[in-house]
Amino acid sequence: DAEITQSPRHKITETGRQVTLACHQTWNHNNMFWYRQDLGHGLRLIHYSYGVHDTNKGEVSDGYSVSRSNTEDLPLTLESAASSQTSVYFCASSEAGGSGETQYFGPGTRLLVL
Amino acid sequence: AQTVTQSQPEMSVQEAETVTLSCTYDTSENNYYLFWYKQPPSRQMILVIRQEAYKQQNATENRFSVNFQKAAKSFSLKISDSQLGDTAMYFCAFMGQGAQKLVFGQGTRLTINP
Repeated sequence: DAEITQSPRHKITETGRQVTLACHQTWNHNNMFWYRQDLGHGLRLIHYSYGVHDTNKGEVSDGYSVSRSNTEDLPLTLESAASSQTSVYFCASSEAGGSGETQYFGPGTRLLVL
Repeated sequence: AQTVTQSQPEMSVQEAETVTLSCTYDTSENNYYLFWYKQPPSRQMILVIRQEAYKQQNATENRFSVNFQKAAKSFSLKISDSQLGDTAMYFCAFMGQGAQKLVFGQGTRLTINP
Protein backbone atom coordinates (compact mmCIF):
# COMPACT_ATOMS: atom_id res chain seq x y z
CA ASP A 1 0.00 0.00 0.00
CA ALA A 2 1.13 3.54 -0.71
CA GLU A 3 2.16 5.49 2.35
CA ILE A 4 4.01 8.49 3.68
CA THR A 5 6.71 7.97 6.30
CA GLN A 6 8.77 10.28 8.46
CA SER A 7 12.04 9.69 10.25
CA PRO A 8 13.11 9.91 12.93
CA ARG A 9 9.88 9.76 14.93
CA HIS A 10 11.57 11.39 17.92
CA LYS A 11 14.67 13.57 18.01
CA ILE A 12 16.53 15.44 20.73
CA THR A 13 19.18 17.91 19.67
CA GLU A 14 21.10 20.87 21.01
CA THR A 15 20.77 24.53 20.18
CA GLY A 16 22.86 25.49 17.16
CA ARG A 17 23.07 22.04 15.60
CA GLN A 18 21.85 21.31 12.09
CA VAL A 19 18.99 18.82 11.97
CA THR A 20 17.35 17.11 9.00
CA LEU A 21 13.94 15.48 9.16
CA ALA A 22 13.10 13.01 6.43
CA CYS A 23 9.81 12.59 4.59
CA HIS A 24 9.22 9.84 2.04
CA GLN A 25 6.01 9.10 0.14
CA THR A 26 5.14 6.27 -2.20
CA TRP A 27 1.91 7.82 -3.49
CA ASN A 28 3.80 9.34 -6.44
CA HIS A 29 2.30 12.68 -5.44
CA ASN A 30 3.70 15.86 -6.98
CA ASN A 31 2.81 18.06 -4.02
CA MET A 32 4.57 17.79 -0.65
CA PHE A 33 4.27 19.95 2.45
CA TRP A 34 5.87 20.48 5.83
CA TYR A 35 3.84 21.73 8.82
CA ARG A 36 4.64 22.29 12.45
CA GLN A 37 2.13 21.77 15.25
CA ASP A 38 2.24 23.81 18.43
CA LEU A 39 -0.31 24.18 21.21
CA GLY A 40 -2.80 26.92 20.43
CA HIS A 41 -1.71 27.27 16.81
CA GLY A 42 -2.96 24.17 15.06
CA LEU A 43 -0.74 23.28 12.12
CA ARG A 44 1.25 25.97 10.33
CA LEU A 45 2.87 25.64 6.92
CA ILE A 46 6.67 25.79 6.82
CA HIS A 47 7.62 24.94 3.21
CA TYR A 48 6.00 23.21 0.28
CA SER A 49 6.87 21.82 -3.14
CA TYR A 50 4.77 21.29 -6.24
CA GLY A 51 7.32 19.09 -8.00
CA VAL A 52 10.97 18.19 -8.43
CA HIS A 53 13.27 21.20 -7.99
CA ASP A 54 10.32 23.37 -6.91
CA THR A 55 10.23 24.77 -3.35
CA ASN A 56 8.21 27.56 -1.76
CA LYS A 57 8.13 29.31 1.61
CA GLY A 58 5.16 28.97 3.87
CA GLU A 59 3.89 30.97 6.80
CA VAL A 60 6.72 30.09 9.22
CA SER A 61 9.75 29.38 7.03
CA ASP A 62 12.48 31.30 8.90
CA GLY A 63 15.24 28.96 10.05
CA TYR A 64 14.10 26.08 7.81
CA SER A 65 15.00 24.92 4.32
CA VAL A 66 13.91 22.15 1.94
CA SER A 67 15.11 20.69 -1.32
CA ARG A 68 13.30 18.41 -3.76
CA SER A 69 15.58 16.24 -5.86
CA ASN A 70 13.03 13.50 -6.60
CA THR A 71 9.29 12.92 -6.40
CA GLU A 72 9.35 10.75 -3.29
CA ASP A 73 11.34 12.83 -0.79
CA LEU A 74 11.19 16.29 0.78
CA PRO A 75 13.71 16.58 3.63
CA LEU A 76 13.33 19.49 6.05
CA THR A 77 16.54 21.04 7.41
CA LEU A 78 16.87 23.22 10.48
CA GLU A 79 20.03 25.14 9.72
CA SER A 80 20.83 26.05 13.34
CA ALA A 81 18.29 24.60 15.73
CA ALA A 82 16.68 26.96 18.24
CA SER A 83 14.54 26.20 21.29
CA SER A 84 11.62 27.89 19.52
CA GLN A 85 11.74 25.09 16.96
CA THR A 86 10.77 22.49 19.54
CA SER A 87 7.58 21.17 18.01
CA VAL A 88 5.87 18.27 16.26
CA TYR A 89 6.55 18.25 12.53
CA PHE A 90 4.20 16.76 9.95
CA CYS A 91 4.86 16.00 6.34
CA ALA A 92 1.97 15.72 3.88
CA SER A 93 1.48 15.01 0.20
CA SER A 94 -1.25 15.41 -2.39
CA GLU A 95 -1.85 14.82 -6.07
CA ALA A 96 -1.18 17.52 -8.58
CA GLY A 97 -4.39 19.18 -9.65
CA GLY A 98 -6.11 22.51 -10.01
CA SER A 99 -6.95 22.77 -6.34
CA GLY A 100 -8.80 21.08 -3.55
CA GLU A 101 -6.72 17.93 -3.53
CA THR A 102 -6.82 16.04 -0.24
CA GLN A 103 -3.56 16.01 1.69
CA TYR A 104 -2.35 12.79 3.30
CA PHE A 105 -0.19 13.12 6.38
CA GLY A 106 2.76 11.24 7.78
CA PRO A 107 2.89 10.12 11.43
CA GLY A 108 4.86 13.15 12.62
CA THR A 109 8.29 13.78 14.16
CA ARG A 110 8.58 15.12 17.69
CA LEU A 111 11.63 17.38 17.95
CA LEU A 112 13.06 18.69 21.19
CA VAL A 113 15.77 21.36 21.03
CA LEU A 114 17.69 21.77 24.30
CA ALA B 1 -4.90 36.09 4.15
CA GLN B 2 -7.40 33.44 5.05
CA THR B 3 -7.98 32.60 8.68
CA VAL B 4 -9.79 29.72 10.32
CA THR B 5 -11.24 29.94 13.82
CA GLN B 6 -12.40 27.12 16.07
CA SER B 7 -13.98 28.74 19.10
CA GLN B 8 -14.33 25.60 21.24
CA PRO B 9 -10.93 24.52 22.64
CA GLU B 10 -12.48 21.50 24.38
CA MET B 11 -15.74 19.57 24.33
CA SER B 12 -16.96 16.51 26.15
CA VAL B 13 -20.05 14.36 25.56
CA GLN B 14 -21.38 10.96 26.54
CA GLU B 15 -21.10 7.99 24.24
CA ALA B 16 -23.97 7.73 21.72
CA GLU B 17 -24.77 11.43 21.95
CA THR B 18 -24.57 13.84 19.02
CA VAL B 19 -21.96 16.59 19.12
CA THR B 20 -21.34 19.58 16.87
CA LEU B 21 -17.95 21.23 16.47
CA SER B 22 -17.85 24.82 15.22
CA CYS B 23 -15.59 26.40 12.61
CA THR B 24 -15.66 29.80 10.98
CA TYR B 25 -13.33 31.16 8.34
CA ASP B 26 -12.52 34.40 6.63
CA THR B 27 -11.94 34.67 2.91
CA SER B 28 -12.75 36.92 -0.02
CA GLU B 29 -12.74 34.02 -2.46
CA ASN B 30 -15.90 32.54 -3.92
CA ASN B 31 -14.60 29.05 -4.67
CA TYR B 32 -12.63 27.10 -2.09
CA TYR B 33 -12.49 23.83 -0.16
CA LEU B 34 -13.03 22.99 3.49
CA PHE B 35 -11.83 19.98 5.43
CA TRP B 36 -12.17 18.39 8.83
CA TYR B 37 -9.20 16.33 10.05
CA LYS B 38 -9.13 14.10 13.12
CA GLN B 39 -6.00 13.63 15.22
CA PRO B 40 -6.33 10.77 17.76
CA PRO B 41 -3.78 10.25 20.55
CA SER B 42 -1.55 8.48 18.04
CA ARG B 43 -1.07 11.94 16.44
CA GLN B 44 -1.87 10.64 12.96
CA MET B 45 -3.85 13.21 10.96
CA ILE B 46 -6.87 11.54 9.36
CA LEU B 47 -9.26 13.14 6.88
CA VAL B 48 -12.82 13.03 8.18
CA ILE B 49 -14.78 14.94 5.56
CA ARG B 50 -14.34 17.39 2.68
CA GLN B 51 -16.63 20.07 1.23
CA GLU B 52 -16.40 22.04 -2.01
CA ALA B 53 -17.77 25.56 -1.61
CA TYR B 54 -19.53 25.49 -4.97
CA LYS B 55 -21.63 22.53 -3.86
CA GLN B 56 -24.75 23.51 -1.94
CA GLN B 57 -25.32 20.01 -0.61
CA ASN B 58 -23.67 19.31 2.71
CA ALA B 59 -21.10 16.52 2.70
CA THR B 60 -21.72 13.37 4.73
CA GLU B 61 -19.55 10.39 5.62
CA ASN B 62 -21.38 7.77 7.66
CA ARG B 63 -21.86 9.29 11.16
CA PHE B 64 -20.09 12.51 10.17
CA SER B 65 -21.82 15.38 8.43
CA VAL B 66 -21.24 19.08 7.97
CA ASN B 67 -23.42 22.16 8.08
CA PHE B 68 -21.90 24.45 5.48
CA GLN B 69 -23.24 28.01 5.58
CA LYS B 70 -21.38 29.89 2.85
CA ALA B 71 -22.85 33.31 3.51
CA ALA B 72 -22.03 33.05 7.20
CA LYS B 73 -18.61 31.48 6.44
CA SER B 74 -19.38 28.68 8.83
CA PHE B 75 -18.45 25.00 8.52
CA SER B 76 -19.51 22.91 11.51
CA LEU B 77 -18.99 19.18 11.96
CA LYS B 78 -21.72 16.98 13.42
CA ILE B 79 -20.87 13.58 14.84
CA SER B 80 -23.89 11.37 15.38
CA ASP B 81 -24.03 8.37 17.72
CA SER B 82 -20.59 9.27 19.08
CA GLN B 83 -18.20 6.45 19.92
CA LEU B 84 -15.23 6.19 22.26
CA GLY B 85 -12.96 6.02 19.21
CA ASP B 86 -14.08 9.50 18.21
CA THR B 87 -12.02 10.93 21.07
CA ALA B 88 -9.43 13.11 19.34
CA MET B 89 -8.37 16.60 18.36
CA TYR B 90 -10.41 17.87 15.42
CA PHE B 91 -9.03 20.46 13.03
CA CYS B 92 -10.95 22.53 10.53
CA ALA B 93 -8.93 23.56 7.46
CA PHE B 94 -9.35 25.85 4.45
CA MET B 95 -7.88 25.59 0.95
CA GLY B 96 -8.34 28.39 -1.55
CA GLN B 97 -9.17 28.02 -5.21
CA GLY B 98 -6.00 27.44 -7.23
CA ALA B 99 -4.02 26.77 -4.06
CA GLN B 100 -2.85 23.46 -2.66
CA LYS B 101 -2.00 24.72 0.82
CA LEU B 102 -4.09 24.19 3.91
CA VAL B 103 -4.81 26.81 6.56
CA PHE B 104 -5.76 25.20 9.85
CA GLY B 105 -7.80 26.28 12.83
CA GLN B 106 -6.47 25.89 16.35
CA GLY B 107 -8.30 22.63 16.95
CA THR B 108 -11.01 21.32 19.29
CA ARG B 109 -10.22 18.56 21.75
CA LEU B 110 -13.22 16.20 21.85
CA THR B 111 -13.63 13.62 24.58
CA ILE B 112 -16.28 10.91 24.39
CA ASN B 113 -17.09 9.55 27.84
CA PRO B 114 -18.41 6.01 28.45
